[in-house]
Amino acid sequence: QKEVEQNSGPLSVPEGAIASLNCTYSDRGSQSFFWYRQYSGKSPELIMSIYSNGDKEDGRFTAQLNKASQYVSLLIRDSQPSDSATYLCAGTYNTDKLIFGTGTRLQVFP
Amino acid sequence: ETGVTQTPRHLVMGMTNKKSLKCEQHLGHNAMYWYKQSAKKPLELMFVYNFKEQTENNSVPSRFSPECPNSSHLFLHLHTLQPEDSALYLCASSEAGGRDGYTFGSGTRLTVV
Repeated sequence: QKEVEQNSGPLSVPEGAIASLNCTYSDRGSQSFFWYRQYSGKSPELIMSIYSNGDKEDGRFTAQLNKASQYVSLLIRDSQPSDSATYLCAGTYNTDKLIFGTGTRLQVFP
Repeated sequence: ETGVTQTPRHLVMGMTNKKSLKCEQHLGHNAMYWYKQSAKKPLELMFVYNFKEQTENNSVPSRFSPECPNSSHLFLHLHTLQPEDSALYLCASSEAGGRDGYTFGSGTRLTVV
């Protein structure tokens, strides 16, 4: 069974802090990883993708991948209340299919 | 219209009804997907179409019947559903291979009564 696991949260951080979201995956063959943001009642929105070990930065977001540990993370710097949402981690299996975790709910309080 | 469009946004149907969900993508993608999202469960992949051909049926009950007439349109035909089928049904599209991730539609919130 291919799985992506996330802590469901909620993860509560104060405004301006760094939010750290984590994800592990079971399929060593997974090549591509994605972070989606989903606001309540809305559809998932792609915010980051990462394919190789190391860090990838895009604005306030940094994705980190460690294939040896089968671990993916997302850091959100200078967290804002508008970042409050559920963050879904996803990894590919069989090349083109995405498996999603259950998501981590992030709450940023003023 | 841009992106991935799903209709209807909300649907309430009885267990004996037949209805269809529609998805249309304007991104020039070659792959389309149906996902089911239930509370406290991960997104469940239901069907995958690549270049109009179904390449994945993830053990979905036959009361769900997909149709992909071309690379831009995807339907999910529903009949004799059960209350436990109530969920958010999401359509997504991607380039073939999905390397750049999927783009999701806004979803159809389905309630079976």
